[in-house]
Amino acid sequence: NAGVTQTPKFQVLKTGQSMTLQCAQDMNHEYMSWYRQDPGMGLRLIHYSVGAGITDQGEVPNGYNVSRSTTEDFPLRLLSAAPSQTSVYFCASSPRAVPLHFGNGTRLTVT
Amino acid sequence: KNEVEQSPQNLTAQEGEFITINCSYSVGISALHWLQQHPGGGIVSLFMLSSGKKKHGRLIATINIQEKHSSLHITASHPRDSAVYICAVPRWSGGGADGLTFGKGTHLIIQP
Repeated sequence: NAGVTQTPKFQVLKTGQSMTLQCAQDMNHEYMSWYRQDPGMGLRLIHYSVGAGITDQGEVPNGYNVSRSTTEDFPLRLLSAAPSQTSVYFCASSPRAVPLHFGNGTRLTVT
Repeated sequence: KNEVEQSPQNLTAQEGEFITINCSYSVGISALHWLQQHPGGGIVSLFMLSSGKKKHGRLIATINIQEKHSSLHITASHPRDSAVYICAVPRWSGGGADGLTFGKGTHLIIQP
């Protein structure tokens, strides 16, 4: 099993550009979520999903969109990148509503 | 909304020392999580506990539900234990799908 796979590992964007961070899991987990991690702050929930076709906002959802068309995939879209979105992003999955399996992260820089 | 405080923020110790990291939270919970994050690496779940104590190798986690406090202990610490240790609890007292709230982490360095 690959677990939770995030791509890309690194990305540099210019302000205003859009992009999608990919997240895939092969464990048939219902619950998936996206977090961002910033220096001096704990992980913060962006969006989460309790199953295919169901998504909801977390603590810091502004500027991000998600969709869950399949159980396996949960992409995170940045609509118009801003320097404040420079961060490390983690995707997580679990059979229940707590994140137990994390991806290796995507380090995003917006200039 | 639950608030999480971890201490210490930074800890440097010598190989072999007994390590204690503390976590306090503000709202009653069903379970608490301890996570480990190595430099440049992903995040690994170490423990999920709702009462008492759990042990895995040299790692021991305890929780006191009444006092809203948990500790993570490392016995016979080793340089490979150097990492950030993160405590996490449900965002709301009822738990639920809207995830966890995380402490800011304890940056542990074990020197040989």
